[in-house]
Amino acid sequence: EVQLQESGPGLVKPSQSLSLTCSVTGYSITSNYWGWIRKFPGNKMEWMGYISYSGSTSYNPSLKSRISITRDTSKNQFFLQLNSVTTEDTATYYCARCWRYWGQGVMVTVSS
Amino acid sequence: DVVLTQTPPTLSATIGQSVSISCRSSQSLLHSNGNTYLNWLLQRPGQPPQLLIYLVSRLESGVPNRFSGSGSGTDFTLKISGVEAEDLGVYYCVQSTHAPWTFGGGTKLELK
Repeated sequence: EVQLQESGPGLVKPSQSLSLTCSVTGYSITSNYWGWIRKFPGNKMEWMGYISYSGSTSYNPSLKSRISITRDTSKNQFFLQLNSVTTEDTATYYCARCWRYWGQGVMVTVSS
Repeated sequence: DVVLTQTPPTLSATIGQSVSISCRSSQSLLHSNGNTYLNWLLQRPGQPPQLLIYLVSRLESGVPNRFSGSGSGTDFTLKISGVEAEDLGVYYCVQSTHAPWTFGGGTKLELK
């Protein structure tokens, strides 16, 4: 059974970096594509980016140079870093093997 | 970016009623490889999104066959033939033909 689990702080201060980990079991991250998606208060969903089986990445241009997705294949984990956060980055963050397998999500609030 | 317009934003239904959700794209979702990467997700309250339909009309394993998808090019439809209580939540169309991948605004299915 494929399982994904996000972890990381639920509160981040403005201008700081948001860092999340996605731990995957039951499937190697050296296969397929692994992404981060966020859901804002309300219904809006945004695809943030992915890291591929080879380690290549693709990001949503709306996040410009603030985002980085990396991985540790030895631990079967991949990571999200979002820099210079503002209150507009307050959302529930999901990791996923788009679109079939999803983590439960972690709510992140940006506030001082 | 591809804009996906979902209608209606809210849908009220009785148990057993058949309903449809429309998803219209600002450009064709037909990929150069011949596939159309249009998917439908359901997010129940407090749960991560669940894949219902992929590649326009392919039913995800374990999803009841009262769900069906259709369409081509820029116009797509999700139909539920006989709503059940467990179907309540927010439905999203999402495309992964063109980068950045984008979501529709969501359709909330409620009980009348």
